[in-house]
Amino acid sequence: QQPVQSPQAVILREGEDAVINCSSSKALYSVHWYRQKHGEAPVFLMILLKGGEQKGHDKISASFNEKKQQSSLYLTASQLSYSGTYFCGTANTGFQKLVFGTGTRLLVSP
Amino acid sequence: NAGVTQTPKFQVLKTGQSMTLQCAQDMNHEYMSWYRQDPGMGLRLIHYSVGAGITDQGEVPNGYNVSRSTTEDFPLRLLSAAPSQTSVYFCASTNQGDTEAFFGQGTRLTVV
Repeated sequence: QQPVQSPQAVILREGEDAVINCSSSKALYSVHWYRQKHGEAPVFLMILLKGGEQKGHDKISASFNEKKQQSSLYLTASQLSYSGTYFCGTANTGFQKLVFGTGTRLLVSP
Repeated sequence: NAGVTQTPKFQVLKTGQSMTLQCAQDMNHEYMSWYRQDPGMGLRLIHYSVGAGITDQGEVPNGYNVSRSTTEDFPLRLLSAAPSQTSVYFCASTNQGDTEAFFGQGTRLTVV
């Protein structure tokens, strides 16, 4: 099953903050975050692993609550370049099968 | 460094026709996957592979076949195209899954 993302869409002014949430009905072993600009391929942001390890972006932060099976992506002091669709993905224990949510569209305006 | 290459970029098919979407990566990644992207549905996993000779079904495998004879290539076959398969298809590869996945530029497929 696809993880569930909220909100579906966010509109921000430059400099404002946003939080994107991702939840799963299954136990989470890892959460993967990607951003996709219109007409382009998704691009990796970060991976959060059980136990607290984080790999990836150093300017965007995220949290991973294993017990609640949830993750949140925090976009602070948003820039115009943050606009795009954000996807969270969840993987099985061996990371072979990466399943993505339905996405959150973020628009940052001047 | 090419990364993940998908061909073709655009394709129009008639209902019932067959075709193969090509995906090749030059990073020696073990894991490769195919996704389809439709408005409001996000990225849905079609099939994936953890190495040459090993494939498995994702969330929406019906109507699609895959094989993986080499580490580099992971083609997706549509045996009898249907309008419901109109979508943008992405191929992705990653080294063992717990690292960054690299996506190809996508194939926009229209079935009429």
